[in-house]
Amino acid sequence: GAVVSQHPSWVICKSGTSVKIECRSLDFQATTMFWYRQFPKQSLMLMATSNEGSKATYEQGVEKDKFLINHASLTLSTLTVTSAHPEDSSFYICSAISGGGSTDTQYFGPGTRLTVL
Amino acid sequence: SQQGEEDPQALSIQEGENATMNCSYKTSINNLQWYRQNSGRGLVHLILIRSNEREKHSGRLRVTLDTSKKSSSLLITASRAADTASYFCATDYDMRFGAGTRLTVKP
Repeated sequence: GAVVSQHPSWVICKSGTSVKIECRSLDFQATTMFWYRQFPKQSLMLMATSNEGSKATYEQGVEKDKFLINHASLTLSTLTVTSAHPEDSSFYICSAISGGGSTDTQYFGPGTRLTVL
Repeated sequence: SQQGEEDPQALSIQEGENATMNCSYKTSINNLQWYRQNSGRGLVHLILIRSNEREKHSGRLRVTLDTSKKSSSLLITASRAADTASYFCATDYDMRFGAGTRLTVKP
């Protein structure tokens, strides 16, 4: 099946620094990628929808200047958490849809655990 | 609000028993997907059922879809301790997830 990878799988950083998380579709082209955040024992929360070559669409309440999303190619989307603070510590998961069609399956990455000290 | 809402929120059963969880959604869809998430891990796609399908099987999983009621169910037969996880549904219309059903299978 289709594979989506994320890098890094976990990261620890100091407060005030920026962290970049990469999401790659390994064997298919993903016109649309999604970024989610999950706090412990809670559900996934959609942060933004990322379309290749265009600006990401952010969900209400998600700061676009804090969570920068770049979908520069059909196989790569990046999420940069800028000026990270301890409350940004979370599990970040990306997903990708092959082909962008509404009938395609959404494939998820393994997630990135961010800890901000 | 979320498109997919799972029910119940938590389910605890003994190994060997069947587990049934439900999902309701609000709008017309092309497909509905079920996912599993083990604690602290990413989501694993389990099964996709299209709007023109009523039932689909995959191993010990059986998914039904009732588009008239805008609901779906996931049945796990002969459950195992390894099935302990959270289960989520999502539709192609809306990529938001509900709270999920937290399944605990006791050995």
